[in-house]
Amino acid sequence: AQSVTQLGSHVSVSEGALVLLRCNYSSSVPPYLFWYVQYPNQGLQLLLKYTTGATLVKGINGFEAEFKKSETSFHLTKPSAHMSDAAEYFCAVSDVPHGNKLVFGAGTILRVKS
Amino acid sequence: DAGVTQSPTHLIKTRGQQVTLRCSPKSGHDTVSWYQQALGQGPQFIFQYYEEEERQRGNFPDRFSGHQFPNYSSELNVNALLLGDSALYLCASSLDTPGGYTFGSGTRLTVV
Repeated sequence: AQSVTQLGSHVSVSEGALVLLRCNYSSSVPPYLFWYVQYPNQGLQLLLKYTTGATLVKGINGFEAEFKKSETSFHLTKPSAHMSDAAEYFCAVSDVPHGNKLVFGAGTILRVKS
Repeated sequence: DAGVTQSPTHLIKTRGQQVTLRCSPKSGHDTVSWYQQALGQGPQFIFQYYEEEERQRGNFPDRFSGHQFPNYSSELNVNALLLGDSALYLCASSLDTPGGYTFGSGTRLTVV
């Protein structure tokens, strides 16, 4: 069965500092991986996705993630945090790009300090 | 272009009642999935509809049922509501081809 582990339920960074949100997955087949962001009282917005091809994926708002098969990881990074990045971030895995469910991690709440 | 539209946005029901939540997918999308997000948790997959049939189902009891209409819109029905059904219910639509899911803003259900 697929699963996702997000290390750190809360991450706090200073404005302008590097953002690193960790995600490890378990999948019996080549995974499709996603990062979503959720602002308070809102739905989920897709930040980026890995399906096939280049393992370094660039997304919206300056975020990127690297698929590392050997480490079963898909960590999310952003070079310089902005106050508007404060939100909850979810990593998800699907073993079929569509026609199959997304399995989400428990989420990481990012706090950005001024 | 409208994204995924869910209604209502908020709902309060009494234990034992029944509720219907509605979802209109993003234009051009033919697949609709429903997720339950309890407070402080990640979304949990309920089921997915494609071509008006339930294609896949998560670990939810039969009290949770759904429907997809010819225009691809969908309903989620929950019978015999329990306090534990209180959650944010998210609808996600997609094309049945590689891409990404688009989520709605959700329906916040409170069972009292």
